[in-house]
Amino acid sequence: DTAVSQTPKYLVTQMGNDKSIKCEQNLGHDTMYWYKQDSKKFLKIMFSYNNKELIINETVPNRFSPKSPDKAHLNLHINSLELGDSAVYFCASSHKGLAGTYNEQFFGPGTRLTVL
Amino acid sequence: AQKVTQAQTEISVVEKEDVTLDCVYETRDTTYYLFWYKQPPSGELVFLIRRNSFDEQNEISGRYSWNFQKSTSSFNFTITASQVVDSAVYFCALSEANDSDYGANSKLTFGKGITLSVRP
Repeated sequence: DTAVSQTPKYLVTQMGNDKSIKCEQNLGHDTMYWYKQDSKKFLKIMFSYNNKELIINETVPNRFSPKSPDKAHLNLHINSLELGDSAVYFCASSHKGLAGTYNEQFFGPGTRLTVL
Repeated sequence: AQKVTQAQTEISVVEKEDVTLDCVYETRDTTYYLFWYKQPPSGELVFLIRRNSFDEQNEISGRYSWNFQKSTSSFNFTITASQVVDSAVYFCALSEANDSDYGANSKLTFGKGITLSVRP
């Protein structure tokens, strides 16, 4: 059973289109994340949701809108795609932890988005 | 703010050589966690190790070993007797501990990664 799954694995689309990437976790976690890995392999957090509530938003353009219908899903919708959005997007999930601790993050396999 | 620096960008070695991947971090927190991840050519992120800031004991796992030194804010990773299958991008990452019971602010800050090529 896949712990954190993402669909699609590959997405090729034209500039200006709107697309969504789906993420689902079956680990019973209540916190989910989106990370972006650019063409230089640099990984950076974009968003974090806890119990469907946005917790972290790392100055991502408004064209990116995460949507969490329930604790097990965090989808990423991107409007008006630009060439610079081409990247690999990783979803991750973790338990909610107590103050002073760390909650281990489990990563999905990634979605490679190519904007032409 | 937290920062992770992996000064080496690409390393190429011949099989069976030992190789050390450097990682230097910056954080204002006293409680934090350090990680190494491997990203093979297939693209997935493979978790290798986690250390917390209170545990400076070095760790060895098979051919892998990690040297954590708070005095120099470094968390270096050594592969002994490297193999072709070790060829990958290796990321060092840092997470500060939750500052509340919320938990969701444990974001990972990654270094830029080191591309390791092991030649037969």
